[in-house]
Amino acid sequence: KAGVTQTPRYLIKTRGQQVTLSCSPISGHRSVSWYQQTPGQGLQFLFEYFSETQRNKGNFPGRFSGRQFSNSRSEMNVSTLELGDSALYLCASSLHGQGASYNSPLHFGNGTRLTVT
Amino acid sequence: AQTVTQSQPEMSVQEAETVTLSCTYDTSESDYYLFWYKQPPSRQMILVIRQEAYKQQNATENRFSVNFQKAAKSFSLKISDSQLGDAAMYFCAYQKAAGNKLTFGGGTRVLVKP
Repeated sequence: KAGVTQTPRYLIKTRGQQVTLSCSPISGHRSVSWYQQTPGQGLQFLFEYFSETQRNKGNFPGRFSGRQFSNSRSEMNVSTLELGDSALYLCASSLHGQGASYNSPLHFGNGTRLTVT
Repeated sequence: AQTVTQSQPEMSVQEAETVTLSCTYDTSESDYYLFWYKQPPSRQMILVIRQEAYKQQNATENRFSVNFQKAAKSFSLKISDSQLGDAAMYFCAYQKAAGNKLTFGGGTRVLVKP
């Protein structure tokens, strides 16, 4: 079974631009979560989608948004990029939603390394 | 809000020896899960071991075991018979029973000396 696939692996953008990152979960997984990893702030939760609905959101500005499609694939968009948005963005999928998290731990992708210049 | 603290930025261990990583957390919840994830240079977060808060028995996965002290809110990871492939960043993470949001600690880098 294929793992969580994130594309692209590397991305270089300029301040003020926008970017879209893609995540394909493990087949059959319906929950997709996004995390930002930086040396200074560590790993921070961005948001979670389940069955095309955003179920949980972290403490990030509105420039960060996401969506999930009917096939569970998810995209994350960052508008008006800032230098501080440079980070590794990790996507994770799990089989179930609430209440069954033990039986369906999060499986992570290899991440997208975004550099903003 | 829940917080997770890893007080050791880096730990070094000789191959075949044992190393213990510390993790403490703060929560007012009674039902939750705790995890240790490993992140090698490939960047992928790999689940090492997990523990349900309602279980008193400490989880074990091959050479990896935890010491879960619920009252002390402590969750340490022991790596026995360390191997070169164990070298990585290790993150302790907390998850409420409902939902899939993980709160991570700052990480501990493990170096394995041959």
